Amino acid sequence: EAQVTQNPRYLITVTGKKLTVTCSQNMNHEYMSWYRQDPGLGLRQIYYSMNVEVTDKGDVPEGYKVSRKEKRNFPLILESPSPNQTSLYFCASSVTRPTGGLFHFGNGTRLTVT
Amino acid sequence: GENVEQHPSTLSVQEGDSAVIKCTYSDSASNYFPWYKQELGKGPQLIIDIRSNVGEKKDQRIAVTLNKTAKHFSLHITETQPEDSAVYFCAAAANAGGTSYGKLTFGQGTILTVHP
Repeated sequence: EAQVTQNPRYLITVTGKKLTVTCSQNMNHEYMSWYRQDPGLGLRQIYYSMNVEVTDKGDVPEGYKVSRKEKRNFPLILESPSPNQTSLYFCASSVTRPTGGLFHFGNGTRLTVT
Repeated sequence: GENVEQHPSTLSVQEGDSAVIKCTYSDSASNYFPWYKQELGKGPQLIIDIRSNVGEKKDQRIAVTLNKTAKHFSLHITETQPEDSAVYFCAAAANAGGTSYGKLTFGQGTILTVHP
């Protein structure tokens, strides 16, 4: 089954404790991206990757890191999480850049930073 | 960069009525406009999209219209059903050039509730 898998689904952590949210897709997609969803703000892009070893900042990259060492994986790293990073996070992938159509989204990771 | 504004933020209709959600965008380079439906506990799913060379597109009870001159596009759902209740997002992306290249920028979302 074609899918984007995020782990974990729920995560509660404390300020400053490094964490990684994993994202994997099994569709051989070139493009992958991370979004955060906050009430009243919609989905805002954190980072995106056009292909392996190619990453770029989205609209809200501060406090986040990503890597794309393999085509299927695109982890999101929070080196020193802060309470303002409490949010619902989505990973997405598509065959090519967004205008190619059909983003596949994961089911989300709800992160709470205390 | 691109800015997408979506209205209304909440919409309540009776089953069988029509629902309309509107979005405006700022980047004239944007040429791809998808709509997503998000159900509780799930990620958004594409329901329909339109490209800038087309003014209207229909898929059964769902239609999208685009006015490039005014930089706005709308989602129309006819004969609404309770299972249409969800959060709907519009988005915009640019094929080349502009500050939107490589990005899919979303609106703020509309919570649609269809009452039986």
